[in-house]
Amino acid sequence: NAGVTQTPKFQVLKTGQSMTLQCAQDMNHNSMYWYRQDPGMGLRLIYYSASEGTTDKGEVPNGYNVSRLNKREFSLRLESAAPSQTSVYFCASSATRTGRDGYTFGSGTRLTVV
Amino acid sequence: AQKITQTQPGMFVQEKEAVTLDCTYDTSDQSYGLFWYKQPSSGEMIFLIYQGSYDEQNATEGRYSLNFQKARKSANLVISASQLGDSAMYFCAMRDKETSYDKVIFGPGTSLSVIP
Repeated sequence: NAGVTQTPKFQVLKTGQSMTLQCAQDMNHNSMYWYRQDPGMGLRLIYYSASEGTTDKGEVPNGYNVSRLNKREFSLRLESAAPSQTSVYFCASSATRTGRDGYTFGSGTRLTVV
Repeated sequence: AQKITQTQPGMFVQEKEAVTLDCTYDTSDQSYGLFWYKQPSSGEMIFLIYQGSYDEQNATEGRYSLNFQKARKSANLVISASQLGDSAMYFCAMRDKETSYDKVIFGPGTSLSVIP
């Protein structure tokens, strides 16, 4: 099925470990996003990529890096995980700049840092 | 700064009744977009409806409609004929065009429970 695929779905890290969250979309969308969701705070933008080859910081970029590998793939890396990064991470993509069609989200990655 | 407010942390509605979920927003931009998303207990985010700031009519999608009052900066979601499957978190969101990059700002969400 077409959509946004995130891996892994669950992950437990020890403080200081690194990991990369993978995201791929097969809808030929130009824009891709990484959000984190914490209780009572909705979703907050971590990083954004308007098109292949470009990335920009969002609201909460500290502690994260991203790579827009190609049009399909947008990865999120935690270089040195901290307990404050325990969250649910969502990747999303959109076809148009107006966004009238909404964002298509992946199923999320539940990350726990101990 | 742009902001989305959802003042109802939790709502209950009887099955088959209509329910309104409140959303107010703050922006100085003249051109913006408003969204509603549903997040069931399974966790995925589902796009429901979109309203552009210059759209002349309120948006509708099946049982979902958006009561858009631009002067009051409100964009309430109305769900008609509630079903048990409507039990979920609902997020109001706004597309921010004032910054140098596109993004969608989300509110804190409203938890809706449909009672049989």
